[in-house]
Amino acid sequence: AQKITQTQPGMFVQEKEAVTLDCTYDTSDPSYGLFWYKQPSSGEMIFLIYQGSYDQQNATEGRYSLNFQKARKSANLVISASQLGDSAMYFCAMREVNRDDKIIFGKGTRLHILP
Amino acid sequence: DAGVIQSPRHEVTEMGQEVTLRCKPISGHDYLFWYRQTMMRGLELLIYFNNNVPIDDSGMPEDRFSAKMPNASFSTLKIQPSEPRDSAVYFCASSVSQGITRFGQGTRLTVV
Repeated sequence: AQKITQTQPGMFVQEKEAVTLDCTYDTSDPSYGLFWYKQPSSGEMIFLIYQGSYDQQNATEGRYSLNFQKARKSANLVISASQLGDSAMYFCAMREVNRDDKIIFGKGTRLHILP
Repeated sequence: DAGVIQSPRHEVTEMGQEVTLRCKPISGHDYLFWYRQTMMRGLELLIYFNNNVPIDDSGMPEDRFSAKMPNASFSTLKIQPSEPRDSAVYFCASSVSQGITRFGQGTRLTVV
């Protein structure tokens, strides 16, 4: 069964607009972490933001924020004021601490920022 | 901090040859992961280690693949014999328990 689901294979967004990339997850472990990574065309995997399952506040890192809705098992990434350099593949990932502590990835969303 | 270091960055080899990919994790990280990325299958976890011990190798495609971690600062992923369908980008990543996983730059493997 899919543990991480990213339903948007691709998105096109106008520069300077806000973007929401969807991610839902499935776990019975009460202790888990959620991650977002960016993979530009150069290929490296860049860590963006982390949310712990017990964190009360939504995580934020500069223009990135994570909209964490625990009851819905949703961890959407929000990018404010998008820039051309945000064009990349974005992966949502989860780590189940009590289960096996390995990180598993969704299939990704390719984001295109239009000038 | 130099980050996770992988070598080589690119490898082109002929079918049937042995290929060895290398990884140096971030100092102090006790988890090491090997991933393979292809267009068709996305990012697949092949194997991971905790404190140099393999924990889960269920993602290793077949017996042609093997991985070792002889010490805390070095790991190898070996393919013998290599086949064209092994062509992919192979990532090594490391972390501390429950921590943020950091990736190396990847090795782009082409088997012709």
